[in-house]
Amino acid sequence: DAKTTQPPSMDCAEGRAANLPCNHSTISGNEYVYWYRQIHSQGPQYIIHGLKNNETNEMASLIITEDRKSSTLILPHATLRDTAVYYCIVSFIQGAQKLVFGQGTRLTINP
Amino acid sequence: DVKVTQSSRYLVKRTGEKVFLECVQDMDHENMFWYRQDPGLGLRLIYFSYDVKMKEKGDIPEGYSVSREKKERFSLILESASTNQTSMYLCASSSANGGTGRGKLFFGSGTQLSVL
Repeated sequence: DAKTTQPPSMDCAEGRAANLPCNHSTISGNEYVYWYRQIHSQGPQYIIHGLKNNETNEMASLIITEDRKSSTLILPHATLRDTAVYYCIVSFIQGAQKLVFGQGTRLTINP
Repeated sequence: DVKVTQSSRYLVKRTGEKVFLECVQDMDHENMFWYRQDPGLGLRLIYFSYDVKMKEKGDIPEGYSVSREKKERFSLILESASTNQTSMYLCASSSANGGTGRGKLFFGSGTQLSVL
């Protein structure tokens, strides 16, 4: 699976959009981009995934560049409860899909 | 609401003890995983299972074994616990039939194991 690079930490004001970047320059054509987050003392939580089209669900939006070498997770109106570590993962689809979690980005939402 | 339940939130054991960590999921998922999480090292995959009685080694299987006798239950076993196995242990499950959603893992809340 391709390697990802994320900033170690970011801050965002409550109510503003939080934009979390991820670089995955070695991604191959059939690898998907997944985003998870982990709130303190909890297990990771799935947020969203995509291949090449932009995706949106009730939690977030995922923007993948045309060359697929990077992506951005957007939390449109961040709240204090969005404070967490966010992981960007690139992976092939497999029957038993093992995900490799990196260090992620520690996002702090400030009041 | 879907659920992955880990039997204990906190566990304290002595060096050399045999330790069982239990995980149960109620989503009829085929795949189940055990990760451990340590500060600075992130989440690392220990073992996973894609079917009853089937298991595969992850990245750090040494010192661990697993058991999956029923679809809903996946156990992690520390045959002889050591202090370097003090960690947060996270269980997860996923569907093998979810198409691109196979990467959608559902995690339990974790078991913080301390080996003294």
